[in-house]
Amino acid sequence: DAKTTQPNSMESNEEEPVHLPCNHSTISGTDYIHWYRQLPSQGPEYVIHGLTSNVNNRMASLAIAEDRKSSTLILHRATLRDAAVYYCILASGGSNYKLTFGKGTLLTVNP
Amino acid sequence: ETGVTQSPTHLIKTRGQQVTLRCSSQSGHNTVSWYQQALGQGPQFIFQYYREEENGRGNFPPRFSGLQFPNYSSELNVNALELDDSALYLCASSLRDFYNEQFFGPGTRLTVL
Repeated sequence: DAKTTQPNSMESNEEEPVHLPCNHSTISGTDYIHWYRQLPSQGPEYVIHGLTSNVNNRMASLAIAEDRKSSTLILHRATLRDAAVYYCILASGGSNYKLTFGKGTLLTVNP
Repeated sequence: ETGVTQSPTHLIKTRGQQVTLRCSSQSGHNTVSWYQQALGQGPQFIFQYYREEENGRGNFPPRFSGLQFPNYSSELNVNALELDDSALYLCASSLRDFYNEQFFGPGTRLTVL
């Protein structure tokens, strides 16, 4: 199974950019890279996903390395509400369907 | 638009019992996935249902089973409960294209004594 590696925790200051890294050296050609986050006492929330090209949406940006073995989630201006566990997930489709969450990165945002 | 709902919120069972958890999908979504999240861990994929059929399964034993109904709501059944089954059970709904975002419910907290 393709797995991801993330730092256990990161810290940021409010209104500063945050770069959350993820390594996925065994990614396959058809795996999409998804990011979800989970606030305390809530279910996970979709953030962004991509395949090869960098992606932007209203919540964040996703930068994918050219060899696709790593990616970075970018929060352009962190707020206190962005404090959560961020999961980098490889989405595998086909006949052997699986979705694998890593352990995630706990992001702390300081006021 | 109604989001994903799950019932019950909390549940306490004893070892060996059986439990049924329920999930109502977000309106228009035809795919439901179930996850188990142990304390301090990331969610682990149990299985996914599409058009009332299982469409992929994680590393969970057969005593974990599911159903999807014509209205796309779903049930997760666990037989012969074990202490290690204590966890938060999450349901997520989405459209058939897997690469679309999944919408998670708040989860059911199951405690097995």
